[in-house]
Amino acid sequence: DTGVSQDPRHKITKRGQNVTFRCDPISEHNRLYWYRQTLGQGPEFLTYFQNEAQLEKSRLLSDRFSAERPKGSFSTLEIQRTEQGDSAMYLCASSHRDRGNTGELFFGEGSRLTVL
Amino acid sequence: GNSVTQMEGPVTLSEEAFLTINCTYTATGYPSLFWYVQYPGEGLQLLLKATKADDKGSNKGFEATYRKETTSFHLEKGSVQVSDSAVYFCALSEGYGNEKLTFGTGTRLTIIP
Repeated sequence: DTGVSQDPRHKITKRGQNVTFRCDPISEHNRLYWYRQTLGQGPEFLTYFQNEAQLEKSRLLSDRFSAERPKGSFSTLEIQRTEQGDSAMYLCASSHRDRGNTGELFFGEGSRLTVL
Repeated sequence: GNSVTQMEGPVTLSEEAFLTINCTYTATGYPSLFWYVQYPGEGLQLLLKATKADDKGSNKGFEATYRKETTSFHLEKGSVQVSDSAVYFCALSEGYGNEKLTFGTGTRLTIIP
C-alpha cells in the first residue's frame, strides 16, 4: 500500500496523559500536513512541513501540541497533558510541491483520539 | 481570513435524482477551489478542482464551475447512484503554491435505491 498511513487508528486515553500519533506520507512527497476534525465539522489546519522544516503553525496549535518531521519522511504529532477538548480525528496529508500546483493533498484515514 | 460556507445536510435523495450541493467562499486573491469526498471507512480524497475563474472541474459525473462573480463553486451531478453516498467537503487554497486547505463543514449525502 503506497498511500498515507497513520498509527494508531484509534487511541483512548485519560485526561492528563500524553499521546503521540505517527504519519507516514507517500514516498517522495516533500510536504506533510496535520489537520484536526471534530464531529460535524470540516478538517481544520494545524501545521505543515516541507521536508523537515515546519513552515506554518495554526493558532489552534496550543503549547501542548508539538509536531516533528526529523528526517523529512515520517512525522509525529504529540499532545501533552490531554484534555477532553482534544478528542477529535487527527488527519495527516501529503503532497509533492515541485510537481506543479495541483493543489491535491493525499489524506490518510486518520487517528481518532478519545480523551476520557 | 479565508472561509468556506457549505450547504448543510444531511441530504437524502433517490437514485437517479439530480444533485446540487451549494458552496460559497470568502478569500483574498485568487484561490483554487476543490471538492473532496469521504466514503464510509475511507480517507478524504480529491473529487475535482478548479484553479481559476470560469474553470469547470469534473470527475465521476460530478461537475463544479468556479464562479468568481458569485464566489461560488456548487457541486452538481445529473443522476446520482447509491455508491455516491458519502460526505462531501468544499475547500479552497490560496494558490501560488500554497496548498493549505480551508474546508467547509461537509455535507452528508445518502442515496436510497
